[in-house]
Amino acid sequence: GENVEQHPSTLSVQEGDSAVIKCTYSDSASNYFPWYKQELGKRPQLIIDIRSNVGEKKDQRIAVTLNKTAKHFSLHITETQPEDSAVYFCAAVGGDNAGNMLTFGGGTRLMVKP
Amino acid sequence: EAGVVQSPRYKIIEKKQPVAFWCNPISGHNTLYWYRQNLGQGPELLIRYENEEAVDDSQLPKDRFSAERLKGVDSTLKIQPAELGDSAVYLCASSLAESYEQYFGPGTRLTVT
Repeated sequence: GENVEQHPSTLSVQEGDSAVIKCTYSDSASNYFPWYKQELGKRPQLIIDIRSNVGEKKDQRIAVTLNKTAKHFSLHITETQPEDSAVYFCAAVGGDNAGNMLTFGGGTRLMVKP
Repeated sequence: EAGVVQSPRYKIIEKKQPVAFWCNPISGHNTLYWYRQNLGQGPELLIRYENEEAVDDSQLPKDRFSAERLKGVDSTLKIQPAELGDSAVYLCASSLAESYEQYFGPGTRLTVT
């Protein structure tokens, strides 16, 4: 089955700086890669996603890049703000036999210092 | 539009007791998922429903866990009997049938003492 690795596990940045979180996946047939933001005690919220036919997608201060050859994808947050502080999870949907099953990475705790 | 609704939000039980969680998905979402999230980890899929049919339950510990979605809308997840290691947040998510986008409920935080 699919295996997703996420790094770093914690990330501390100064307000206004950029933050980058990286994930690798194992199933070359995976074709959908969402990112979720989870604040303490709250539900995971879908913030951006990318499909395998696209190399980059941007939505205001957040962007995601995908390198299918290397099987890795990254989340980029620019001009970070204290409200960006949360745990971020990457995920991947596996190949043809996986249905819509999401395999999550271990999470990155992002702390933005004011 | 209302999001995914779960209840209860918190549950504390003693080991060996039964417990049940309820989920109401987003209206029109045919696919429903139950995940377990251990502290400091990502969610792990327990079971996936397409309408009332369980199409992926390979990760569900069937000796003590059961789930149902009788009318293809609401779903319940049951644990009987609960063990200490079952302490976790149980998340429900839903999606449209042909969509990858999953939307999560607030979860039920279970503590087994």
